[in-house]
Amino acid sequence: QQPVQSPQAVILREGEDAVINCSSSKALYSVHWYRQKHGEAPVFLMILLKGGEQKGHDKISASFNEKKQQSSLYLTASQLSYSGTYFCGALTTSGTYKYIFGTGTRLKVLA
Amino acid sequence: DVKVTQSSRYLVKRTGEKVFLECVQDMDHENMFWYRQDPGLGLRLIYFSYDVKMKEKGDIPEGYSVSREKKERFSLILESASTNQTSMYLCASSFNGFGGVTHEQYFGPGTRLTVT
Repeated sequence: QQPVQSPQAVILREGEDAVINCSSSKALYSVHWYRQKHGEAPVFLMILLKGGEQKGHDKISASFNEKKQQSSLYLTASQLSYSGTYFCGALTTSGTYKYIFGTGTRLKVLA
Repeated sequence: DVKVTQSSRYLVKRTGEKVFLECVQDMDHENMFWYRQDPGLGLRLIYFSYDVKMKEKGDIPEGYSVSREKKERFSLILESASTNQTSMYLCASSFNGFGGVTHEQYFGPGTRLTVT
């Protein structure tokens, strides 16, 4: 089963902050975050390898709570270029390792 | 510069036709993946391959098969296309990971397939 992302969609004004959550019913071993702009391929943003790990990338950061099987992506002081669909991707296991993407979150930043 | 290419950006096929989608990567990656992307459902894994001639089923393999005869090339085959296979198909590749570690995936531009 796919990790569920929330919210499904969000609209922001430039400069506002947003949080996107990724929640799984199965254990997560590592989490990736990707952004896909309209009409383009998904592009890798960052990877989180260990529970509790937090990573930052300019004004975009993420955390990973292994016990809660959740990851969150934080976008601060959003820019127009942040618009797109964000996906979490996670390595899970139910016997064998399997890589699964989340349901996606559409984010639109308005001027 | 890292590159994953797909044979077509847009494809229109008739119900019952055999369809081949090709993907080529130039990064010497061990892993290659085929996904379909539908609104509200995100990216769903059809098949992946971790080595030449090796393949594993993903979440939605029914109606699809794959072929990996060379390391750089991974083909998705729709044996008899149906209208419910109308979708965006994305290919990706990555280095192999171990012990629960995965490397980032690099995606191709996608093929929008319409089956009429």
